[in-house]
Amino acid sequence: GQNIDQPTEMTATEGAIVQINCTYQTSGFNGLFWYQQHAGEAPTFLSYNVLDGLEEKGRFSSFLSRSKGYSYLLLKELQMKDSASYLCAVLDSNYQLIWGAGTKLIIKP
Amino acid sequence: EADIYQTPRYLVIGTGKKITLECSQTMGHDKMYWYQQDPGMELHLIHYSYGVNSTEKGDLSSESTVSRIRTEHFPLTLESARPSHTSQYLCASSPGGTDTGELFFGEGSRLTVL
Repeated sequence: GQNIDQPTEMTATEGAIVQINCTYQTSGFNGLFWYQQHAGEAPTFLSYNVLDGLEEKGRFSSFLSRSKGYSYLLLKELQMKDSASYLCAVLDSNYQLIWGAGTKLIIKP
Repeated sequence: EADIYQTPRYLVIGTGKKITLECSQTMGHDKMYWYQQDPGMELHLIHYSYGVNSTEKGDLSSESTVSRIRTEHFPLTLESARPSHTSQYLCASSPGGTDTGELFFGEGSRLTVL
C-alpha cells in the first residue's frame, strides 16, 4: 500500500526554528509537496521538490532524499501566524497525489 | 491569488435530501478535483476531471456524482445524503500539461447531515 507518515502534532516557540519530517512509501515518485492549512481553511501551496536537496523560499525550506523516502519542512524565525497544519503529499507514478494526515504546529509566545 | 469558488460554504440538511455542491474556477485550468477531509485527517480524493466531458472516481468510495460540461464548472451531487456524508468538501484545480501539480483550493463546503 501507499502511505505518508508525519508527526501528528508539534509545539515550538515564537522566533525559533522547527523541522517537520515526512516519510513516504508510494508506487513511484513524481514529486513531493508541502501545503499549509490554517484551521477551517483550505490548504495553500508551500513548496515542491522533485530532485534531492534543499529548496529555500524565504523563512521556509524543504528538503528531499528520494533514496530514503524522506522529506522535511524547515520553518525559521517562527511567527504566531505559522500556527497551522502542514500537509505532506507525494505525486505517485499515476500522477495522483497521496496525502499525509498533516502535522499540527502550535506556536507558543 | 487563486480564483476558485465553492458554494455553499456551510450547509445543514436532513437525511435523504439531494444536494449539489458548486465549484467554479476562472483560471482556465483543465484539471479539477473534489476532496473530502475530516478534522485532523488526510484529504481523500472523491472525483477528478482532466477536462470537459472527462470524469473519474477517486480512491474514496462515494455515493456522489460529478459532471464537467464546462471547463470552469465542476459540481458534486449527493443523490441521497446520509449522516456519514458529514464532512468538509474541498474543490481544487490545477493547470494541465507538464505542470508541477500545484493545486489551488477553494475555501471548502462544510456539510452536516442530520
